[in-house]
Amino acid sequence: SAVISQKPSRDICQRGTSLTIQCQVDSQVTMMFWYRQQPGQSLTLIATANQGSEATYESGFVIDKFPISRPNLTFSTLTVSNMSPEDSSIYLCSASSGAETQYFGPGTRLLVL
Amino acid sequence: RKEVEQDPGPFNVPEGATVAFNCTYSNSASQSFFWYRQDCRKEPKLLMSVYSSGNEDGRFTAQLNRASQYISLLIRDSKLSDSATYLCAVKKGGYGGSQGNLIFGKGTKLSVKP
Repeated sequence: SAVISQKPSRDICQRGTSLTIQCQVDSQVTMMFWYRQQPGQSLTLIATANQGSEATYESGFVIDKFPISRPNLTFSTLTVSNMSPEDSSIYLCSASSGAETQYFGPGTRLLVL
Repeated sequence: RKEVEQDPGPFNVPEGATVAFNCTYSNSASQSFFWYRQDCRKEPKLLMSVYSSGNEDGRFTAQLNRASQYISLLIRDSKLSDSATYLCAVKKGGYGGSQGNLIFGKGTKLSVKP
């Protein structure tokens, strides 16, 4: 199984600012994903991070708000732009290779004041 | 109808009890099925994959019913350490775009009491 790390683990941010979350996998993976989990809710997929091309966003999520980079097969970033209190959530990076199961990073807890 | 739906819970059971969770999915093209466990303030961790023939791992048994589009998880002889939220996850299959990712249910909270 892949070991996934995220930075930062948590942050408190002011309204209107942006935060970039980093995700590092200890091995090359085919697929990387970004999820959001709001308090008491299940995981919602934000986008699939594609290596070398633009991310594929799910309905309700747009690139201007959540720009994503994936420069190689082990690393991705998610930026939460122009934050508002509604963006307070846990953001989780996930990775898989082909048909294998998905593994998750420890998450980034974000609080926007 | 939501893509993946689970028993609302919470389930409060005594140690040693047997507990079963069900999960239904709406997309008949779904190809892979999983149960994840999520402890409070932690990330989801894979508990087990679910195969058409059913599979067992110690006290845990998972089954898939493609005709009725549901999966189940049975926990026998519950332990205090089984207390967690159990998430059902379904993958549509394929490797490109969003087809390869997991769709999660809301989860069912299990609390095992002494």
